[in-house]
Amino acid sequence: DTGVSQDPRHKITKRGQNVTFRCDPISEHNRLYWYRQTLGQGPEFLTYFQNEAQLEKSRLLSDRFSAERPKGSFSTLEIQRTEQGDSAMYLCASSPQGVPNQPQHFGDGTRLSIL
Amino acid sequence: DQQVKQNSPSLSVQEGRISILNCDYTNSMFDYFLWYKKYPAEGPTFLISISSIKDKNEDGRFTVFLNKSAKHLSLHIVPSQPGDSAVYFCAAIRSAIIFGKGTRLHILP
Repeated sequence: DTGVSQDPRHKITKRGQNVTFRCDPISEHNRLYWYRQTLGQGPEFLTYFQNEAQLEKSRLLSDRFSAERPKGSFSTLEIQRTEQGDSAMYLCASSPQGVPNQPQHFGDGTRLSIL
Repeated sequence: DQQVKQNSPSLSVQEGRISILNCDYTNSMFDYFLWYKKYPAEGPTFLISISSIKDKNEDGRFTVFLNKSAKHLSLHIVPSQPGDSAVYFCAAIRSAIIFGKGTRLHILP
């Protein structure tokens, strides 16, 4: 399977714990995006990388959130001191560079539940 | 404030008829629009797109129409099939994609 892969698919944790999610993009894609989706809403942009450089961050990305893409391949999204409001589906997407407005390919997401 | 709006949370259409999903946007600087389809427990899947310099793009059963003066776009699916039952997201591109809240389409047998 050569699509975008996210791990884990589900994460349940207690409030105050730290969690980390992983995203493996399509291998030839330079751009990697993180989104958050809550019930009844569309995906909301969090941040994106071009290769290893983090080029844009949404105001939704509080200081408890950090994302990395150290070698320009897979990415991790960490949430520290989780809160109830962090419960959501976290989606990763990737796209190739060079072609303007290239559609993004999404993974199936990591569903986070905060107890 | 929502820059991309899908005002119909759900829509039911008879199999074989035309499904029309609507989307409005507020920012005239958007230069590209997309439709994504989402099944439960899966990520969104790209369906069709349109550049702001065009007013129509067609791909098989799917056609997207763009009315820039009205800041409105629509997705037409004809004929509708049972497998089209899903949530459809309208989206617009600036640097990242801005999504609407989605419309759940039910295709009735």
